[in-house]
Amino acid sequence: EVRLVESGGGLVQPGGSLRLSCAASGFTFSTYGMNWVRQPPGKGLEWLSYIAHSSSAIYYADSVKGRFTISRDNAKNSLYLQMNSLRDEDTAMYYCARATRDGYDVWGLGTLVTVSS
Amino acid sequence: EIVMTQSPATLSVSPGERATLSCKASQSISSNLAWYQLKPGQAPRFLIYGASTRATGIPARFSGSGSGTEFTLTISSLQSEDFAVYYCQQYNNWPQWTFGQGTKVEIK
Repeated sequence: EVRLVESGGGLVQPGGSLRLSCAASGFTFSTYGMNWVRQPPGKGLEWLSYIAHSSSAIYYADSVKGRFTISRDNAKNSLYLQMNSLRDEDTAMYYCARATRDGYDVWGLGTLVTVSS
Repeated sequence: EIVMTQSPATLSVSPGERATLSCKASQSISSNLAWYQLKPGQAPRFLIYGASTRATGIPARFSGSGSGTEFTLTISSLQSEDFAVYYCQQYNNWPQWTFGQGTKVEIK
């Protein structure tokens, strides 16, 4: 079964840091680009970051550029998102999603990040 | 940035009826449009790509149409499991594949 499982969310104070992980299984992780997408409470989906299968290309949304860092470890079938300088507006459910040329075909259940003092 | 606008924000439909959801792009995106279904506590589900091609395992009651700037997702006969929030996404402008704000399909 193709599966993505996020972890690492939690409560963090403004200005703090958090590292999210996404464990992949059931497919050849090293051959797919991957993304992080978030959904703030009561709002829509926002693409955050993309990393190519070999990490050769990385992109970020303007809202997180300079604060968030995407990375992957193909040997561990894992995707990561290092989040620094967190703000209240970063409070959201964070999803990892597998990229195809026609959209994101596999998603995880998400991990909740709450930024609050 | 390509802005995606969905309407209506909420659609109230009775089980067995047809639901028609609209998605408009701020500029032409050809047929580079996908649809997703989100339900609380579940992973988002990939429904449609290429504006009209159903993803693997998606029932035939889901259909997509349109090209350029105007797109439609139709659910021909709503089942109880179809009540959810639906998002369109353009993938014409790499890598910023933007989403619409969503349409909630609720039970009438």
